[in-house]
Parts: sequence; C-alpha cells; structure tokens
Amino acid sequence: DTEVTQTPKHLVMGMTNKKSLKCEQHMGHRAMYWYKQKAKKPPELMFVYSYEKLSINESVPSRFSPECPNSSLLNLHLHALQPEDSALYLCASSQEGLAGDTQYFGPGTRLTVL
Amino acid sequence: AQSVTQLGSHVSVSEGALVLLRCNYSSSVPPYLFWYVQYPNQGLQLLLKYTTGATLVKGINGFEAEFKKSETSFHLTKPSAHMSDAAEYFCAVSETGGFKTIFGAGTRLFVKA
Repeated sequence: DTEVTQTPKHLVMGMTNKKSLKCEQHMGHRAMYWYKQKAKKPPELMFVYSYEKLSINESVPSRFSPECPNSSLLNLHLHALQPEDSALYLCASSQEGLAGDTQYFGPGTRLTVL
Repeated sequence: AQSVTQLGSHVSVSEGALVLLRCNYSSSVPPYLFWYVQYPNQGLQLLLKYTTGATLVKGINGFEAEFKKSETSFHLTKPSAHMSDAAEYFCAVSETGGFKTIFGAGTRLFVKA
C-alpha cells in the first residue's frame, strides 16, 4: 500500500473558523510533510515531522498549527485564516526523510477561505 | 543552496511526438534529482529519480531522464507522447543532509491530437 490519504477533499471556511486537515499513511514511513500549493505554482514546504518530532517549520504563521499524534497520522489545525491562505494543501510521507527518499503525496485538500 | 530551473513553463507537442522537458540544477555536491507529475486536482506522483549509479534513469509511463553532470542537467524525455501525458511536471532536487526537497517552477505539458 503506497497510499497517503487526506481528508477532507474540499474545505470552505470563514476567517473566524477553526478547522483541521487530516493526513494518514500506513507505509511505515517516519517522515511526514505539509506543503501549500497555490495555482500554477510548485508546492511550498510548510512543516516536516521526523519520528513524530517537528524538524522543520518554514516560518509558517501561527494560524497554522501542525500536530503528529502518531507515526501514521498528521494533522494541520487552522484558525483565523486569511483569504490568501486559500490553496491546495498537500501531505506527503517518506521512509526516513533523508535526501534521496521518495516522497509519496496525498491528493490534497482544496481550502477556500472566505 | 541547491536549486532547480525548468526551462519553459509550457510545452506543447503533438500526440506521438517526442517529449522533452528541460531541467537544470545547481548544487555543489552530487545531488538527488527527481521528476514528479501532477494531474489536475491531484497530488504529485514520482516519475523517476536519480540517486547514484547509472546516469540514464528509467521511470514509469515510458519516461526517462539522463543525469549530465557536465551540463548540470536532468532533462525528461519520452519517445512518443500520449494524450494522457498532459499534466504539470516538476523537477526537484533533494537537499543533502536535510529534509527539504526543492521544486522547480513546473512545466505544463499540452498534447495535441
């Protein structure tokens, strides 16, 4: 099984709402990633977890809060977002997070902030 | 810092024609290089990757890429385009010693019937 699943597929939220994105993998991977992708742009790295510890935070605003409850699950908690945060949010996982590891991507959550 | 440059934001080919998508990298050490494909409203899927060893890398769906150190290039080719190849293609380099993968700006491939 080389699948990364993400829920929900689509999310519409107001600027005062609190919501969460969920990502799951059962490949035994120990590194998990959140990316943000705007239309016609490449993915931008937001966070990396390695062995359930936050390893990289790419200076992401605090209105985005990641959580890694266990080695299979990754959440992204959203609060007080801005319209410019509307984007496709992609989750990925890799074996160890080492250079050269293949990243396996989920289908993404399309987020619209009104 | 490592980076990748994809030449051409859009490439259009006829069905059955050669596909050539260009990627150049900058790296002071031997890089790990990837090509990913993204179909509309989907995540990215690995086509192929270069780590070490053979410089001609074969991937899925008939794609291949050649690592040329002297030219710092990793161009993606396919001998005969199919309509189903229409997608966005990203070249990427993996940062040595770290967790980051640096993506190029992407090339949109159009395939004409």
